[in-house]
Amino acid sequence: GNSVTQMEGPVTLSEEAFLTINCTYTATGYPSLFWYVQYPGEGLQLLLKATKADDKGSNKGFEATYRKETTSFHLEKGSVQVSDSAVYFCALKSPTSQGGSEKLVFGKGTKLTVNP
Amino acid sequence: ETGVTQSPTHLIKTRGQQVTLRCSSQSGHNTVSWYQQALGQGPQFIFQYYREEENGRGNFPPRFSGLQFPNYSSELNVNALELDDSALYLCASSSRGYDTQYFGPGTRLTVL
Repeated sequence: GNSVTQMEGPVTLSEEAFLTINCTYTATGYPSLFWYVQYPGEGLQLLLKATKADDKGSNKGFEATYRKETTSFHLEKGSVQVSDSAVYFCALKSPTSQGGSEKLVFGKGTKLTVNP
Repeated sequence: ETGVTQSPTHLIKTRGQQVTLRCSSQSGHNTVSWYQQALGQGPQFIFQYYREEENGRGNFPPRFSGLQFPNYSSELNVNALELDDSALYLCASSSRGYDTQYFGPGTRLTVL
């Protein structure tokens, strides 16, 4: 079945450092890809998405490019802030067993801590 | 525009009991999905409701059941609670045919 593998953390960086969180996927076809962020004690917030190959999703300084050749969707940010400390989840849209509907399949998450 | 809301925020139950969790979808969204997130893990898909019917189900036993109401709000019911049911339960709403699911803040269930 469809699956997502993402870099396991935790990742600890100093403020203004460059961030990369790797995400690769296994899927039939070309599913939409997502990054969600979860701040401590909260639910998931959509960070960015890409719906087809070579699309680049971006938001709040974060970027990720849909690479079908390498089946990857790595998350990057040029200069992280303390407020970026959170858990980041890579996900893909996948059909359910009943067809006609789709679910999100998530990676295990990567915890990022940014120190001042 | 009102976002996805869930209630209660926290819940403590004992093994064998039953629990009902509630979700109000974002305005204009007709599809609700439920996910279970165990500690330190990514969310796992439980099921999805569209037009008041179950529209897809993950690998969860029948003691996990749900409802969707005409106003698109939804309930998740879990019978015969087990210790492993302790998790954060997330509800997500979306519009059918659109990519993005929007999540609520979750309900933290602890089973003792």
